[in-house]
Amino acid sequence: KAGVTQTPRYLIKTRGQQVTLSCSPISGHRSVSWYQQTPGQGLQFLFEYFSETQRNKGNFPGRFSGRQFSNSRSEMNVSTLELGDSALYLCASSLETEDTQYFGPGTRLTVL
Amino acid sequence: GQNIDQPTEMTATEGAIVQINCTYQTSGFNGLFWYQQHAGEAPTFLSYNVLDGLEEKGRFSSFLSRSKGYSYLLLKELQMKDSASYLCAVKLHQAGTALIFGKGTTLSVSS
Repeated sequence: KAGVTQTPRYLIKTRGQQVTLSCSPISGHRSVSWYQQTPGQGLQFLFEYFSETQRNKGNFPGRFSGRQFSNSRSEMNVSTLELGDSALYLCASSLETEDTQYFGPGTRLTVL
Repeated sequence: GQNIDQPTEMTATEGAIVQINCTYQTSGFNGLFWYQQHAGEAPTFLSYNVLDGLEEKGRFSSFLSRSKGYSYLLLKELQMKDSASYLCAVKLHQAGTALIFGKGTTLSVSS
């Protein structure tokens, strides 16, 4: 079974731009969560989607948003990029009734 | 607020045993996870504890005490490939899979 895939793997943007990241979960997984990983803060929860609905949300500004499609694929969007948004963005998927999350390889975002 | 503490770094030698501790103070608790993350790679699942006690899985074991807000990951017969970051994470809510992570413990295994 294929794992979680994320595209693109690397991205360079400038301040003020917006970016969209994509995540395809493991086949059959209906829950998708997004995390931001930085050296200083570690892994921080952004939001979780289940059946196209946001189920939980972390403590991030409204510039960070996401959505989930009927095939469980998910996208996250960051608008008005700031230097501090430079990070590894990880997506994780899990089965509806199983707690274990499986992570994708991440998208490395650099904001210049 | 949510607080999960782990040591920042640990070192050990091949063949040894190492214990990585994790203490947590969170607004909710529905289980504790351990993940391993090699540099430049995605975190991979190691263990999940929801009840008090020890869970053993090969060379890795994980322990949980809910009353003390404490967990540890025990790695036996260390190998060079065990050099990685080990992440402790708490599942806050019963519904949903959102995790709150500690900042991770970087383990270096030398020969």
